[in-house]
Amino acid sequence: TQLLEQSPQFLSIQEGENLTVYCNSSSVFSSLQWYRQEPGEGPVLLVTVVTGGEVKKLKRLTFQFGDARKDSSLHITAAQPGDTGLYLCAGTTSGTYKYIFGTGTRLKVLA
Amino acid sequence: EAGVAQSPRYKIIEKRQSVAFWCNPISGHATLYWYQQILGQGPKLLIQFQNNGVVDDSQLPKDRFSAERLKGVDSTLKIQPAKLEDSAVYLCASSALGQTYEQYFGPGTRLTVT
Repeated sequence: TQLLEQSPQFLSIQEGENLTVYCNSSSVFSSLQWYRQEPGEGPVLLVTVVTGGEVKKLKRLTFQFGDARKDSSLHITAAQPGDTGLYLCAGTTSGTYKYIFGTGTRLKVLA
Repeated sequence: EAGVAQSPRYKIIEKRQSVAFWCNPISGHATLYWYQQILGQGPKLLIQFQNNGVVDDSQLPKDRFSAERLKGVDSTLKIQPAKLEDSAVYLCASSALGQTYEQYFGPGTRLTVT
């Protein structure tokens, strides 16, 4: 059974602080996505990474796919209250369009 | 471009009753997914369609859950009879075939079983 473990599970920080969220698995994924979900809404895609070692930046967010394509990280610089939400990673395996979701990291940024 | 549409947004039923959810994916998206999301957890795939065929339904509790996508466009997910543990948000998502591996979610239906 493929599992994606996210850490930490909960994170409460002050505005302006930096943070990193991790997504780990023992399985190899052909692609990995990061989503943010706000209460009462569906997850919204932030980024897709497909190449081992790939780094993508989206304003204050930096995403990295591990060299072996088993893990990923999301780093937020100078967090803002608008970053508050549930962050989810999801992976797909080669040849399928089936998504395995991580356990989620709930982030709260205090003003 | 219109997003994924779902209805109803909220539903409250008693255990042993039946309920149905509807999803209309983004136009042209061949793949449609139904997920169950328990509060505070990541979504769990229930069933995946490609056009009107089932690709994966290994985690669908088939004794009570059913889903169809007859014309390869919109889809219905049904629960009959509902149990207390079915209380969750039911999310529909769609994606286009190709290299992007990206899926787009609807707002979900929050089901409460009492």
